Amino acid sequence: GAGVSQSPSNKVTEKGKDVELRCDPISGHTALYWYRQSLGQGLEFLIYFQGNSAPDKSGLPSDRFSAERTGGSVSTLTIQRTQQEDSAVYLCASSFMDRATEAFFGQGTRLTVV
Amino acid sequence: GQQVMQIPQYQHVQEGEDFTTYCNSSTTLSNIQWYKQRPGGHPVFLIQLVKSGEVKKQKRLTFQFGEAKKNSSLHITATQTTDVGTYFCAGSDYKLSFGAGTTVTVRA
Repeated sequence: GAGVSQSPSNKVTEKGKDVELRCDPISGHTALYWYRQSLGQGLEFLIYFQGNSAPDKSGLPSDRFSAERTGGSVSTLTIQRTQQEDSAVYLCASSFMDRATEAFFGQGTRLTVV
Repeated sequence: GQQVMQIPQYQHVQEGEDFTTYCNSSTTLSNIQWYKQRPGGHPVFLIQLVKSGEVKKQKRLTFQFGEAKKNSSLHITATQTTDVGTYFCAGSDYKLSFGAGTTVTVRA
């Protein structure tokens, strides 16, 4: 596609429910990143994919968070048993290579846990 | 692991004035990237610096990479209201590690 696409753009969920956030990167981009941004805060690194593998999962806040990437393309971030502190904007970015090129961000998914 | 720190966190600027935001890394960086996020938007790539001591300009924006490749700066001259937003630096080893950002507001 023309850019990084994330869905849904907004998600309101009840505390304790599971949610899935989707990221469709730019075609041909091998690197994919997930970040979390709380209101007025910086970008908190969650996980990085190179192809289908995730060499760095160190940013996932707890075992309630998981992510996968299939076919070297679409990635899904899953949050189980959501908590109110999970409320944030979840941003996905992709780049052609792992570090040497610019990253393109999607518009993000705004998650609200009520 | 690599940590990237930015100062100041907030910058309130009178329109027409200059300002500088700084980025410091705990480790030597292979390259550094700068992004701008407008209010309500997503980060957008501005520039990448690779060489020690490199200086690049984009109109009123001047980016510099330190000689030791552990720090960088962004200098904006004659600030305009269009400069409002948060400026992030991102260092990369094998992943992009973002600083906390400098949020810029402009007084007209």
